[in-house]
Amino acid sequence: SQKIEQNSEALNIQEGKTATLTCNYTNYSPAYLQWYRQDPGRGPVFLLLIRENEKEKRKERLKVTFDTTLKQSLFHITASQPADSATYLCALAGGGNKLTFGTGTQLKVEL
Amino acid sequence: DGGITQSPKYLFRKEGQNVTLSCEQNLNHDAMYWYRQDPGQGLRLIYYSQIVNDFQKGDIAEGYSVSREKKESFPLTVTSAQKNPTAFYLCASNNRDGHYGYTFGSGTRLTVV
Repeated sequence: SQKIEQNSEALNIQEGKTATLTCNYTNYSPAYLQWYRQDPGRGPVFLLLIRENEKEKRKERLKVTFDTTLKQSLFHITASQPADSATYLCALAGGGNKLTFGTGTQLKVEL
Repeated sequence: DGGITQSPKYLFRKEGQNVTLSCEQNLNHDAMYWYRQDPGQGLRLIYYSQIVNDFQKGDIAEGYSVSREKKESFPLTVTSAQKNPTAFYLCASNNRDGHYGYTFGSGTRLTVV
């Protein structure tokens, strides 16, 4: 069966360090992969989209990689700040532009 | 400003009642989606619509119904057949070409009392 796995344990890092979050998937051949940020009690906010033929995508302090051989995406936040603390969701596009979401990883950036 | 508006923010339902959650967008997006989120779980797709007057079941459609009579609106009805309706409900929209991510509403928290 299709599966998207994100680390369910919270990731705690110090301010200024690089946070790296992982998204692994099985039994998918996604056309693209997306990352979202979700704050408590709010809807997710779209951050980045990366296509299957792209290896890396950057936006300001964010970087996403996509390895279709390993079936894995890495999401990096450089120079992390306490304001980056949130839950980050990865999502894969199946047929018909529908997205299937992972359970998310909670990031806590400490002073 | 363009966006998606969900209402109400909080909703309480008695056993056996149907309730309708509102979702309106002014982004001129063709596609709209309803997801359900439970603590510790990912978002699960309930229903989606790619175009007006057409919609498809998602992974957990049982006990729910939708309509898409206007491009801007995609209301979700939680019927009494839904045995465990307490959850956070999220509406989203995007263009069908998939070049951009979804825009989500701020959600409706439904509680059965």
